Amino acid sequence: NAGVMQNPRHLVRRRGQEARLRCSPMKGHSHVYWYRQLPEEGLKFMVYLQKENIIDESGMPKERFSAEFPKEGPSILRIQQVVRGDSAAYFCASSPRDPGPGTEAFFGQGTRLTVV
Amino acid sequence: KQEVTQIPAALSVPEGENLVLNCSFTDSAIYNLQWFRQDPGKGLTSLLLIQSSQREQTSGRLNASLDKSSGRSTLYIAASQPGDSATYLCASKRLAGGTSYGKLTFGQGTILTVHP
Repeated sequence: NAGVMQNPRHLVRRRGQEARLRCSPMKGHSHVYWYRQLPEEGLKFMVYLQKENIIDESGMPKERFSAEFPKEGPSILRIQQVVRGDSAAYFCASSPRDPGPGTEAFFGQGTRLTVV
Repeated sequence: KQEVTQIPAALSVPEGENLVLNCSFTDSAIYNLQWFRQDPGKGLTSLLLIQSSQREQTSGRLNASLDKSSGRSTLYIAASQPGDSATYLCASKRLAGGTSYGKLTFGQGTILTVHP
């Protein structure tokens, strides 16, 4: 049973380009969460999705950022017109359902985005 | 708004020492608290999860405790080894209207170095 898979592991984009980050949850998991870790900072929640639904996007910047989790395929975090401040590690986590108190969050290895 | 604080920010100890990492949170209405390990440039590995109804959890040389009333959790590492060197993160999952939503609030982490 493969873990949470993120790709690419490293992504370099020039200012103004688009970045697309992919996350395939663990088998059987239908809930996906995206977090961002800025240099020298902790992880911050961005968005929570279930299949075909955005449940909570309170941590995601209103402009340039979007996320989706289609019925088929991975979850995508999309950043349009990237700026240097978007450089960070982006982590995806998945869980099997609206988690009960004993349900762990399983994280992927992250995508490290560098904007040059 | 939940805030999670970890003390100390960094810790350096000789091999073999027992050590304690501290985590405090401002809102005691938590669903659970999870401790993670993050190696440089890597993802997060879940170490222990304590449900809100529990007082502690143990796994090998690790023991995590939870005191909701005081808003504190500790991670105890016995007989530390150089391989324990990593950043340790605690994260709380807060109750929200009776539904957890699954999102985690992270502390800034404690950078642990165990030298031979």
